[in-house]
Amino acid sequence: EADIYQTPRYLVIGTGKKITLECSQTMGHDKMYWYQQDPGMELHLIHYSYGVNSTEKGDLSSESTVSRIRTEHFPLTLESARPSHTSQYLCASSRGLNEKLFFGSGTQLSVL
Amino acid sequence: GENVEQHPSTLSVQEGDSAVIKCTYSDSASNYFPWYKQELGKGPQLIIDIRSNVGEKKDQRIAVTLNKTAKHFSLHITETQPEDSAVYFCAAPTHRSGYSTLTFGKGTMLLVSP
Repeated sequence: EADIYQTPRYLVIGTGKKITLECSQTMGHDKMYWYQQDPGMELHLIHYSYGVNSTEKGDLSSESTVSRIRTEHFPLTLESARPSHTSQYLCASSRGLNEKLFFGSGTQLSVL
Repeated sequence: GENVEQHPSTLSVQEGDSAVIKCTYSDSASNYFPWYKQELGKGPQLIIDIRSNVGEKKDQRIAVTLNKTAKHFSLHITETQPEDSAVYFCAAPTHRSGYSTLTFGKGTMLLVSP
């Protein structure tokens, strides 16, 4: 059912590298989100977008940045990765407010 | 912003037993309460939700109850099966200048033993 895709599925990189996590959805949803999930399971909202050229920071401070140039695409970038960025990153989208969130399968990032 | 508390953090039951997970929220204006199930290696998936105009909603073996006065809502799973083993999250809206996003509870790891 879910038409939201994240790549890569796993990523292991060295400290200081620039990385971009990709997220695309084919459902035409205006709302898109990035959540960070720590090993203790908690989901923290780090970025969200309500449409093209709209991006906002979430509840958890993050050194990552996002862009929303096209409705279907919401990439997340880390300019200089550090071990503290090691985590699972989940992208999601929804048709509207207080509507079902569709999650991707996530990117597991490990920074050595 | 919204504060969502979820209990218990882990829950072990025998197959066929019932499981109950409870959440409380802080914003009395919140009006939408979804539950998500996350299986290993996958993103969370919506399993049931309830809006503030009803007190209970059922879908086969799953039910959610809402008490707006006490600001708490619960997930009930009856006749549990091993495939119900997963992490479950409750959520409530955080209102932001005319918009809203979901704030999740910390999750409950449910283990159903055969």
